[in-house]
Amino acid sequence: SAVISQKPSRDICQRGTSLTIQCQVDSQVTMMFWYRQQPGQSLTLIATANQGSEATYESGFVIDKFPISRPNLTFSTLTVSNMSPEDSSIYLCSAVQRSGGELFFGEGSRLTVL
Amino acid sequence: GENVEQHPSTLSVQEGDSAVIKCTYSDSASNYFPWYKQELGKRPQLIIDIRSNVGEKKDQRIAVTLNKTAKHFSLHITETQPEDSAVYFCAANLSGGSYIPTFGRGTSLIVHP
Repeated sequence: SAVISQKPSRDICQRGTSLTIQCQVDSQVTMMFWYRQQPGQSLTLIATANQGSEATYESGFVIDKFPISRPNLTFSTLTVSNMSPEDSSIYLCSAVQRSGGELFFGEGSRLTVL
Repeated sequence: GENVEQHPSTLSVQEGDSAVIKCTYSDSASNYFPWYKQELGKRPQLIIDIRSNVGEKKDQRIAVTLNKTAKHFSLHITETQPEDSAVYFCAANLSGGSYIPTFGRGTSLIVHP
């Protein structure tokens, strides 16, 4: 199994600012992902974090708004840029140890934008 | 791409009753179907999964069935307990290669004592 730690666990931010969320996995994983979960909603994939290269974004998400880094196999960051109240959500880091295996999730980072 | 539909969105049962959550998928190439449980304020966690080479899998009070022809799969919880109350998500994807599961919209299960 993989244990995923995220920080911050929650934050309250001002409109127009940016926040970086960090994700650390305790073991090497093949793939890392970032999801957004609005209250009471499903899990929406933002992007796949690729080691050493640009992330692969899903439709509706762009690099300028959600820059992602993954410098090694166990660490990734997601930045939410120029935040607005619509960005208030829970952001979840996830990873899979091997292709086709179980998806593990971090505890999530609850973001509130005022 | 894959599209996963999940029903019902909310399910309320009495303790001891059974609960069934159903999902359909669109991509016939999908061959891995996990179910995740998310308790309030917690992270989603895998509770059971099934691959397309079997039709049913059981783990104590939880079972999952798969009908590849009809492209639907279901989660069955027997003898429900209050601690089963949570949001359940189904997912479907093609295992091997690029692993990107598509999630259903979730079912909020409420088990009344």
